[in-house]
This record gives sequence, C-alpha cells and structure tokens, in this order.
Amino acid sequence: DGGITQSPKYLFRKEGQNVTLSCEQNLNHDAMYWYRQDPGQGLRLIYYSQIVNDFQKGDIAEGYSVSREKKESFPLTVTSAQKNPTAFYLCASSIGAWETEAFFGQGTRLTVV
Amino acid sequence: GNSVTQMEGPVTLSEEAFLTINCTYTATGYPSLFWYVQYPGEGLQLLLKATKADDKGSNKGFEATYRKETTSFHLEKGSVQVSDSAVYFCALNNAGNMLTFGGGTRLMVKP
Repeated sequence: DGGITQSPKYLFRKEGQNVTLSCEQNLNHDAMYWYRQDPGQGLRLIYYSQIVNDFQKGDIAEGYSVSREKKESFPLTVTSAQKNPTAFYLCASSIGAWETEAFFGQGTRLTVV
Repeated sequence: GNSVTQMEGPVTLSEEAFLTINCTYTATGYPSLFWYVQYPGEGLQLLLKATKADDKGSNKGFEATYRKETTSFHLEKGSVQVSDSAVYFCALNNAGNMLTFGGGTRLMVKP
C-alpha cells in the first residue's frame, strides 16, 4: 500500500540532545513537508522540500534541520538549540501541484524529559 | 501573504444536529481550498477539497462550497454523528505550493 510513514510514534529526549524523526513515503511525491502542532493549536510549517537535494525554511525553522538526499525520505533533526521541542510533529507529502492535496503521516509525539 | 481563519471551538452538538464550521481566507490569485480532519493522536486526513470558484466539495455527508466573492469555504453537515468528533482544519494552497492552515476547530458530538 502507498503511504507516508513516520517513526517513532513516541520519542523522549533529554535536554541537550539532538533527535531525528523519520519520514518515508512511497507515493513518488516530489514535495515533502514538516509541521509542528502544539496542544489546541494549528499547524506551523518548519521546513519543506520541493525536490531532492533542495529544501527551504518555513515559519519556525530555528532549532531544526532537515535533509533530502532521496526522494522518499525527509528526516527532521530537532537540535539542542530548539528551546521548546515538546510537540506533535507531522510529516506530509504531495505531488507538488497547487490543486492537489497533501498526505500526512500518523505523527511523532516528542517529549523532553 | 496567505492566511486562513476558522471559528474557534470547541463546537459541541447533539447527535443528528446540523453542523457549520466557518472558514474564511486571504490569498492572492485563485487558491485551492481543503478541509482536513484529525482524530485524536493521529495525522490529518483529507475530508474534501475545491479547486475553483463555485465548486462544491463533498465527502461522508460533509459539504463545502468555494465562495470567491466572500472568500469563504464553510464546512457543513446535515446530521452529525458521535463518530464525527474530531478536529477540523481548513487550508488553502496557492501558487507558492505550500498548504496554509487555519487554527483548527474541535467538534464534540454528544449522544
């Protein structure tokens, strides 16, 4: 089945550590996105990539980094510079045309302990 | 820039009641409009979409009509069920090829 997979579902991080969230899609989509969702809040764009080996900052990129070495994969690293990383992280992909929808993964809940 | 404004929730209804969740947008040009639904602890799922003015998107009894004159895309359902309880997001996609989301509206349906 085609889809977008995020792992792990739950992640715990100690303060000062970097962690990497995985996002893989087998939909052959060009565009991929990372969003952050805080309790009771909407979605805020962290980074997006419209093509392999290229990505752009979204609205809240500080303290995060990404790579896009393969079309299928768009991992997000939450660095120690992100002061408030506890949140629900959602990855999405789309074919890249404005009239088409994005497909979302099931999300990763990151908690700093 | 682009923006989406939704009515704040939570919206609490009894089963079989009529639902309206308001959504208005600001965008240049002719964006595509979407409604997504999020169940607890999950990602977002596309509910319906409309890509041009006067289009009506529909799915699972939900409907929304793209009104360019009022820059709106209100979500409606004639008879809600307990299983419709979720958070609903209005979104737009424009020539910049990035989804812009509203803040979400939580719907709670009581039996």
